Amino acid sequence: DGGITQSPKYLFRKEGQNVTLSCEQNLNHDAMYWYRQDPGQGLRLIYYSQIVNDFQKGDIAEGYSVSREKKESFPLTVTSAQKNPTAFYLCASSIKGGTTEAFFGQGTRLTVV
Amino acid sequence: RKEVEQDPGPFNVPEGATVAFNCTYSNSASQSFFWYRQDCRKEPKLLMSVYSSGNEDGRFTAQLNRASQYISLLIRDSKLSDSATYLCVVTPTGGFKTIFGAGTRLFVKA
Repeated sequence: DGGITQSPKYLFRKEGQNVTLSCEQNLNHDAMYWYRQDPGQGLRLIYYSQIVNDFQKGDIAEGYSVSREKKESFPLTVTSAQKNPTAFYLCASSIKGGTTEAFFGQGTRLTVV
Repeated sequence: RKEVEQDPGPFNVPEGATVAFNCTYSNSASQSFFWYRQDCRKEPKLLMSVYSSGNEDGRFTAQLNRASQYISLLIRDSKLSDSATYLCVVTPTGGFKTIFGAGTRLFVKA
């Protein structure tokens, strides 16, 4: 079955540590996105990528980094520079750009302890 | 002003009721419009696209008003299973950054 997979589902991190969230898709989609969602809030765009080896900052990129070495993969690193990292992180992909439906992974719930 | 604004609700309605959500957007050059549904602690999923002429899918009707820059979602004969958060989604013309509204929470009660 085609889809988009995020791992892990739950992640706990100590303050000051970097952590990487995985996102893999086998839908052959060119575009991939990372969003952050806080309780009772909408989705905020962190980074997006249109093609391999290219990515752009979204609205809240500070304290995060990404890579797009393969079409299928778009990992997100939450660095120690992100002051308030506890949130629900959602990865999505779409055929091209924002004019087509985006498919989401099941999300990673990150908690800083 | 936010690029996409929605009434956060919550909307509390009885089963069988008709409920309508509105969403306004600030960029007049916006091209694509969608409604997504998000269940508690789950990922959003596409409910329906919104076309210029309006479109219907069963109990759900979506409409676009470009002149006033808003889209709407109408749910008829509400079911308990319709309880969720409904996200309005807008993409500007030629743009890549899909913009999500904060969502409107709906509770349908027996």
